[in-house]
Amino acid sequence: AQTVTQSQPEMSVQEAETVTLSCTYDTSESDYYLFWYKQPPSRQMILVIRQEAYKQQNATENRFSVNFQKAAKSFSLKISDSQLGDAAMYFCAFRPPGNTPLVFGKGTRLSVIA
Amino acid sequence: DAGVIQSPRHEVTEMGQEVTLRCKPISGHNSLFWYRQTMMRGLELLIYFNNNVPIDDSGMPEDRFSAKMPNASFSTLKIQPSEPRDSAVYFCASRPWRGEGSNQPQHFGDGTRLSIL
Repeated sequence: AQTVTQSQPEMSVQEAETVTLSCTYDTSESDYYLFWYKQPPSRQMILVIRQEAYKQQNATENRFSVNFQKAAKSFSLKISDSQLGDAAMYFCAFRPPGNTPLVFGKGTRLSVIA
Repeated sequence: DAGVIQSPRHEVTEMGQEVTLRCKPISGHNSLFWYRQTMMRGLELLIYFNNNVPIDDSGMPEDRFSAKMPNASFSTLKIQPSEPRDSAVYFCASRPWRGEGSNQPQHFGDGTRLSIL
């Protein structure tokens, strides 16, 4: 069974600084998809960024980027120029090939300090 | 476009009562997922459907839980009888299925916060 581990239950960052959230996963699949979701206090689940395992290039979405290390099974999220609105729970998720559900990590609560 | 619509947004009821949570997926999405979120266990899959057919219900905690998808635009998750340990946020998500190689993400509803007293 696939598992996703987020080793940092809580993180904090100063406004305008950069923070990196860690995620590792375990799978025997060679092709799969990885996602980061943001959950603000409103409890919406908002897709932040996604990565296909067959792509070597790291995904980037504005201030959000990932460091995908397939051999190490690592998928970290970097938030640059942190803003107060970035404060939320961040979930790393894995999806095997096919039409399958997501496997989530336990989440990292990010605080942004003004 | 309308997103995934869940109702009710909040539900408070007494132990032993029947609870029905509802979900309308995004039009054209043929996969639907029910997740439960608790502080202790995080986000867990309960059940998912492809083309209205249940594929995997191994995450349904016990026989008190049941889910149906009578058509492509509606699904229900029912708990009968409800217990305090069922208190959680229940999310519905949908996704278009474009085949094995599809990277389409799941779109989540706003969730139902369920409190069983």
